[in-house]
Amino acid sequence: QVQLQESGPGLVKPSETLSLTCTVSGGSISNSYWSWIRQPPGKGLDWIGFIYSTGSTSYNPSLKSRVTISLDTSKNQFSLKLSSVTAADTAVYYCARGDDYGDYAWGQGTLVTVSS
Amino acid sequence: DIQMTQSPSSLSASVGDRVTITCRASQSISSYLSWYQHKPGKAPKLLIYSASSLQSGVASRFSGSGSGTDFTLTISSLQPEDFATYYCQQTYTTPRTFGHGTKVEIK
Repeated sequence: QVQLQESGPGLVKPSETLSLTCTVSGGSISNSYWSWIRQPPGKGLDWIGFIYSTGSTSYNPSLKSRVTISLDTSKNQFSLKLSSVTAADTAVYYCARGDDYGDYAWGQGTLVTVSS
Repeated sequence: DIQMTQSPSSLSASVGDRVTITCRASQSISSYLSWYQHKPGKAPKLLIYSASSLQSGVASRFSGSGSGTDFTLTISSLQPEDFATYYCQQTYTTPRTFGHGTKVEIK
């Protein structure tokens, strides 16, 4: 059974780049969408984007100029980079695996706080 | 972007109640609609995909229906472990937008 685990700094300074990694265990990164979703405190779920196992990506237009999702098949990982962060980017960040119909496996989430 | 409107935003119900949550898309999304259950401090859990297909391992008291723009999640007999926030999401196109959530609370 595939498991996902997010890792990365829990505190990022304003204007810097948020970097998170999702490590996939129990299976390979193949034939799936690998997504990032976040939840700001007290708010709902917000779709950031995904990378397909072929390497093609799709991002939320609201973040498109700041976000990059990449894949490292040799390490069974995929990553999120979000540049020029502000307090509005403070959230619990989730990585997930899915297909055309939804995300069926999720990491536990990691809280990232943007503060000086 | 496709807007997803959920109603109600919250509801109070008792154990054993039948609960219905609706989700409306701003344009047709065929059956590309999924439902998630989210509890505080936990990962969201996929309950329903393709509008009406039950995800493996999910209790049969959960069901989904609809197509086009109007969708429904039904819990036939609410159990204590069902108190959570429920989200719909369209996967018809990107960005894969979520509804704002429906919080199901204990009456």
